[in-house]
Amino acid sequence: NAGVTQTPKFRILKIGQSMTLQCTQDMNHNYMYWYRQDPGMGLKLIYYSVGAGITDKGEVPNGYNVSRSTTEDFPLRLELAAPSQTSVYFCASSRDRGFGTDTQYFGPGTRLTVL
Amino acid sequence: GQQLNQSPQSMFIQEGEDVSMNCTSSSIFNTWLWYKQEPGEGPVLLIALYKAGELTSNGRLTAQFGITRKDSFLNISASIPSDVGIYFCAGQRSGNTPLVFGKGTRLSVIA
Repeated sequence: NAGVTQTPKFRILKIGQSMTLQCTQDMNHNYMYWYRQDPGMGLKLIYYSVGAGITDKGEVPNGYNVSRSTTEDFPLRLELAAPSQTSVYFCASSRDRGFGTDTQYFGPGTRLTVL
Repeated sequence: GQQLNQSPQSMFIQEGEDVSMNCTSSSIFNTWLWYKQEPGEGPVLLIALYKAGELTSNGRLTAQFGITRKDSFLNISASIPSDVGIYFCAGQRSGNTPLVFGKGTRLSVIA
């Protein structure tokens, strides 16, 4: 059972480039989330999804886009990368009831540097 | 946005010692969670607390949901080297609101 998988593990982007961070879960979870973690800080929610076809903004959505065409996949898109988007990105999923009341399972993270 | 104040920021302790850390907020949360993050990994849920005053254990870990619903505590007894990591608290106001995370407590255990 793979759980939550994220690709790539590391990426360096130039300012203005775009990329998609991939996230897949094999637990048939309805809820999926994208967080960013800046050095010395807690996680901040970027976007979340309560099911296929439904997405909503979290605390820090600017500069990002998401889609949820299937239950399993929840890609995060950066259109015009900026140095402020240098961070570690975590994808997570949970079965139901949303957010913390049901255990969130986290992926291993994608470390992104924008130069 | 809402913030959780987590302290201490970091701790260096001897193996076998007990550890205490806490998380406070200026507003009420109805759920408190404690996560551990190891290097290069995502956070893993340790303990979830759903009721004010609740005291819950998971092995050597014990967490408490403060009576005021504005704080929570995590204790680790008889620390071992594998306890090393960053411990995050997270709060949730209600079942439909996002988690708010603290900045973490970095724990180092000296053998």
